Amino acid sequence: DQQVKQNSPSLSVQEGRISILNCDYTNSMFDYFLWYKKYPAEGPTFLISISSIKDKNEDGRFTVFLNKSAKHLSLHIVPSQPGDSAVYFCAASGNAGNMLTFGGGTRLMVKP
Amino acid sequence: KAGVTQTPRYLIKTRGQQVTLSCSPISGHRSVSWYQQTPGQGLQFLFEYFSETQRNKGNFPGRFSGRQFSNSRSEMNVSTLELGDSALYLCASSLTPGTNYGYTFGSGTRLTVV
Repeated sequence: DQQVKQNSPSLSVQEGRISILNCDYTNSMFDYFLWYKKYPAEGPTFLISISSIKDKNEDGRFTVFLNKSAKHLSLHIVPSQPGDSAVYFCAASGNAGNMLTFGGGTRLMVKP
Repeated sequence: KAGVTQTPRYLIKTRGQQVTLSCSPISGHRSVSWYQQTPGQGLQFLFEYFSETQRNKGNFPGRFSGRQFSNSRSEMNVSTLELGDSALYLCASSLTPGTNYGYTFGSGTRLTVV
């Protein structure tokens, strides 16, 4: 049973436009969420996180939105750049110190 | 500042053999976690160590084991290898157990079982 799901395995966006990556979760005990970016042959790199006490967190071109009632979070990248092309994983945790449960990833391709 | 170092980068083993993978965390980091990445299952948690103690364990058979040394370096061992164990094994370190600080991942060890 996948507790964290990324239903879109891939997404293609034009450079300069907005990229929206989605993630759904089922475990209501999750209260901390993270996004990681992964390039081929490298480990995932931490991107941005959000606590369940917030509904939005912004860091430069990256914004994460959390809708607890819908158990849904999304990552917005504005404007998208070709260097953003990578696999993006969302992850969730029950509380600080717990293991991360990852989604299956979404491959983002930003076309010049 | 050196990142998380995993050795070896690539490994080919035969079914039935055993394998040991190594992870050196970022200097000062005392928490080490291991994840398995496969195309079908994504990233799955194996175990987490802090101060030489296993704090959490994922849903993997007993063939998968690990340990952490006093210098925070960690090893994981897989015995009686199966074809399905072929995967990218990722190690992540953090100052202390706690996702608030975010984990730093190594580049992984690509294990192929033939």
